[in-house]
Amino acid sequence: DTEVTQTPKHLVMGMTNKKSLKCEQHMGHRAMYWYKQKAKKPPELMFVYSYEKLSINESVPSRFSPECPNSSLLNLHLHALQPEDSALYLCASSQAPGLLAEQYFGPGTRLTVT
Amino acid sequence: GENVEQHPSTLSVQEGDSAVIKCTYSDSASNYFPWYKQELGKRPQLIIDIRSNVGEKKDQRIAVTLNKTAKHFSLHITETQPEDSAVYFCAASTGGFKTIFGAGTRLFVKA
Repeated sequence: DTEVTQTPKHLVMGMTNKKSLKCEQHMGHRAMYWYKQKAKKPPELMFVYSYEKLSINESVPSRFSPECPNSSLLNLHLHALQPEDSALYLCASSQAPGLLAEQYFGPGTRLTVT
Repeated sequence: GENVEQHPSTLSVQEGDSAVIKCTYSDSASNYFPWYKQELGKRPQLIIDIRSNVGEKKDQRIAVTLNKTAKHFSLHITETQPEDSAVYFCAASTGGFKTIFGAGTRLFVKA
């Protein structure tokens, strides 16, 4: 299985809602990532988990809260988002931190904040 | 911090012609340079990558060259086909966790 899966595919939420994005991989990868991608822009790194521990937080606002319950799962909890947070949220994984290896991306969750 | 510049932003070629996309990076510690293709509404997918100890790598119609001294790397696609139409992102990594992406090149291949 060489796939990263993400749910849901689409999410519409109000500014007062709480929701979660989910990501899963079964490739035995030990590094997992959250990216944000706005239309016609490159992916922007948000968080990196290495061996289930948060390694990088790219100064992301606290209304985004990542969680890595185990080596296969990555969540992104959303609370009190702003309309400018509307974007495609991509999850990715790679073999292990420090290895010069490909990142495998999931299909993304398209988030709209109303 | 690390910055990756990518040119051109848009490239239109005739089917069968070659396409070249160029990138420069700022961090001399960068040692891994992947290229991703992203079709409309799809996820980015790796098409080729190169490590800093290699100057050139080829995979069928796709090749990448790296000039470490000038901090340049380029993607070459030969015999382009309509299905090559997509957005292409170059990226640079220091082999740790952070991959910095270029702004992207929208490639149109006209049949």
